[in-house]
Amino acid sequence: GQQLNQSPQSMFIQEGEDVSMNCTSSSIFNTWLWYKQDPGEGPVLLIALYKAGELTSNGRLTAQFGITRKDSFLNISASIPSDVGIYFCAGQTNFGNEKLTFGTGTRLTIIP
Amino acid sequence: DSGVTQTPKHLITATGQRVTLRCSPRSGDLSVYWYQQSLDQGLQFLIQYYNGEERAKGNILERFSAQQFPDLHSELNLSSLELGDSALYFCASSVNPRSGNPSDTQYFGPGTRLTVL
Repeated sequence: GQQLNQSPQSMFIQEGEDVSMNCTSSSIFNTWLWYKQDPGEGPVLLIALYKAGELTSNGRLTAQFGITRKDSFLNISASIPSDVGIYFCAGQTNFGNEKLTFGTGTRLTIIP
Repeated sequence: DSGVTQTPKHLITATGQRVTLRCSPRSGDLSVYWYQQSLDQGLQFLIQYYNGEERAKGNILERFSAQQFPDLHSELNLSSLELGDSALYFCASSVNPRSGNPSDTQYFGPGTRLTVL
């Protein structure tokens, strides 16, 4: 099945550093979502983007919906230990809930 | 807590067997989605139900089937299990997939970890 290209695959950072990751697709999506998954848990929605060019924040997280509709970016500022986990982007072709196509994931590790 | 519940949390079975995974959506959600997460394929959409009817199919094997009951809970049936079916199976729910309301997004349950030996 299709997966979106997400980079980097993994990141090792120190607490307090900023983090950037991105997601690209060969096809257009009308909704972009960012989820975080902790070990043994289901993905938890972080940010949803519904309009090309849109920039949305959720606390220390900021995400952007690319102008081409084929990419999205997630930034985390001043990382803290609880940011550790796997971050997934997901795209939807239509508004409101057709299937999600997920990215390959970015694993974030914080070095003490 | 997303409000989506899944049982069992863990399931260990043998090749050739049949299992049933259960999902209860969030209160008021009409649509249920099933996803499979494996190491080599990532998170893949399997099937979607809306108000008891199948709405969309993804990469679901013929050995797998699902249904959504009148009380809106859903079951995913996996039969003739193979080693490669070992994965995490997630259920997600949303209110109304075609409402046009952008905030009707999908919330995931905690998953069922299936191990086929």
